[in-house]
Amino acid sequence: GAVVSQHPSRVICKSGTSVKIECRSLDFQATTMFWYRQFPKQSLMLMATSNEGSKATYEQGVEKDKFLINHASLTLSTLTVTSAHPEDSSFYICSASDRGAANYGYTFGSGTRLTVV
Amino acid sequence: GESVGLHLPTLSVQEGDNSIINCAYSNSASDYFIWYKQESGKGPQFIIDIRSNMDKRQGQRVTVLLNKTVKHLSLQIAATQPGDSAVYFCAETHLLSGGGADGLTFGKGTHLIIQP
Repeated sequence: GAVVSQHPSRVICKSGTSVKIECRSLDFQATTMFWYRQFPKQSLMLMATSNEGSKATYEQGVEKDKFLINHASLTLSTLTVTSAHPEDSSFYICSASDRGAANYGYTFGSGTRLTVV
Repeated sequence: GESVGLHLPTLSVQEGDNSIINCAYSNSASDYFIWYKQESGKGPQFIIDIRSNMDKRQGQRVTVLLNKTVKHLSLQIAATQPGDSAVYFCAETHLLSGGGADGLTFGKGTHLIIQP
């Protein structure tokens, strides 16, 4: 089945620095990738939709200048958290869409635990 | 619909019993629904899905029921096992024609605990 690889799985960074998270589709081409954020004991919230070769579409309330998304190839999307602050500490999860898959391809990565100190 | 909460509802069942997890959705335009299982520190794992042209779908030990009239979705897990302990989320979206994809809107989630 479709596999989505995400790394790093955990990262600790200092306040004010930037962190890049990678999301790769390993065995299929993902024209669309999604980025979600999940705070402890809460549900996943969609942050942005990333289409290969075009600008990402951000959900209301998500700062596009703070959460930079790049989807330069059909197998890789990156999320960069710029000038990170402690309130950005969260679990970030990507999902890649493979419309050829049986379940329409909403396959998730394993997530990245970001801690900003 | 939006799904923000300070804590997750908990459902505790005895090992071997059946469990039913419920979910309400709010978007009438949603036509595709998925149940995910999430273990601590991991990404969501696909369990079963259903399109809006169906009201029931069965998998291995799992059944999803969809009631579009009241915008309600349920997940039934038969003969629960210790490994079923996790948080379960429903998710909804609208499938786009032409190969595009919309993001998923997740429900609040339910923490299922299997008692030995």
